[in-house]
Amino acid sequence: EDQVTQSPEALRLQEGESSSLNCSYTVSGLRGLFWYRQDPGKGPEFLFTLYSAGEEKEKERLKATLTKKESFLHITAPKPEDSATYLCAVRGINTGNQFYFGTGTSLTVIP
Amino acid sequence: GAVVSQHPSWVICKSGTSVKIECRSLDFQATTMFWYRQFPKQSLMLMATSNEGSKATYEQGVEKDKFLINHASLTLSTLTVTSAHPEDSSFYICSAFKGGGNTIYFGEGSWLTVV
Repeated sequence: EDQVTQSPEALRLQEGESSSLNCSYTVSGLRGLFWYRQDPGKGPEFLFTLYSAGEEKEKERLKATLTKKESFLHITAPKPEDSATYLCAVRGINTGNQFYFGTGTSLTVIP
Repeated sequence: GAVVSQHPSWVICKSGTSVKIECRSLDFQATTMFWYRQFPKQSLMLMATSNEGSKATYEQGVEKDKFLINHASLTLSTLTVTSAHPEDSSFYICSAFKGGGNTIYFGEGSWLTVV
């Protein structure tokens, strides 16, 4: 069964302190790995889709990378407005339109 | 980008009544839509998957007679919470799968409070 595990569960950073969030996955053929950002009381906002090992995508202070077993969301010099829960999801080639979500990493950036 | 709109954002209803939440894909056709429930500080819990023109597929433990899902067109899915009770109070979120694409896009979510 396709599975996604995110770590850490929660992360507190000082403003400007770079770090990485981890998403480990098992899937029988990866069709896509997805990162979303969710602010409290709102629906998740799409950030990135990664398709194959070695792929990287960037958006402002965020960079997502992918290997055959995990993905990292690197946050460079974070600001308080980066505080949110970051969700990772995978879609496998044998599971149709099903997306499997991790439980998320709650990031707090302290000014 | 792809836009998914949910309505209403907030709803309060009396115990025993029914309430409908709409999910619309505004700028694309959604062959598949998903409905989730989210409790405070917890992750998304998939309730059901709906495909346009066919019956929804419910996750184990989700009462299909209580949470009625209709996906009558490629741009609209509705979730009706029937005979609502206070324990149904929650944050409900929909997402839409863009046909031909490989990404799902989420609505803004709907807060339901049953009093």
